[in-house]
Amino acid sequence: GAGVSQSPRYKVAKRGQDVALRCDPISGHVSLFWYQQALGQGPEFLTYFQNEAQLDKSGLPSDRFFAERPEGSVSTLKIQRTQQEDSAVYLCASSFHKNRNNEQFFGPGTRLTVL
Amino acid sequence: TQLLEQSPQFLSIQEGENLTVYCNSSSVFSSLQWYRQEPGEGPVLLVTVVTGGEVKKLKRLTFQFGDARKDSSLHITAAQPGDTGLYLCAGVRGGTSYGKLTFGQGTILTVHP
Repeated sequence: GAGVSQSPRYKVAKRGQDVALRCDPISGHVSLFWYQQALGQGPEFLTYFQNEAQLDKSGLPSDRFFAERPEGSVSTLKIQRTQQEDSAVYLCASSFHKNRNNEQFFGPGTRLTVL
Repeated sequence: TQLLEQSPQFLSIQEGENLTVYCNSSSVFSSLQWYRQEPGEGPVLLVTVVTGGEVKKLKRLTFQFGDARKDSSLHITAAQPGDTGLYLCAGVRGGTSYGKLTFGQGTILTVHP
């Protein structure tokens, strides 16, 4: 079956531009997570959705970051007025249950480069 | 300050050698997970340990969760070039009801033939 997919895989933006990153989770998965992975580092939590509800956005670095999952499936992470420090790989992960020990399946990520 | 300290950050060894990667914290975790990540791909789960003192084996890989559930280790026996990759530990803290993961910095393992 299909895994988690993300698009685009690579995005180059000029400083100040807005970008939108898409995540298609595994069908039927309740939980959806976004993580940010800087070069040479482990991923860092950004936000969590349970179906369409955004239950935790404590990891979003600033109010320029916004995420949505309006129908409880596809999710979009939007970054407004991009800055160079936003350059990173953005990973999406989904899991079937909301249970905290449930396995998360990660997508390949979107590599964002802000010039 | 990193909540999960992973060491070493880099490991370069010859095929057939053994190695251990450590993941330490001052915080208690309800579970610890180990992932492997290849370039250009997302992390892939290797194992989840839940009980303090738990030991799990996956072929040549042995995972251990500390008795106090604050630390974990990954031991690889007779490393192969195919083991090369980024290894990440990640924990779910005790207070969360969902799987919000806190990751270590990662260990880049290179196994030379």
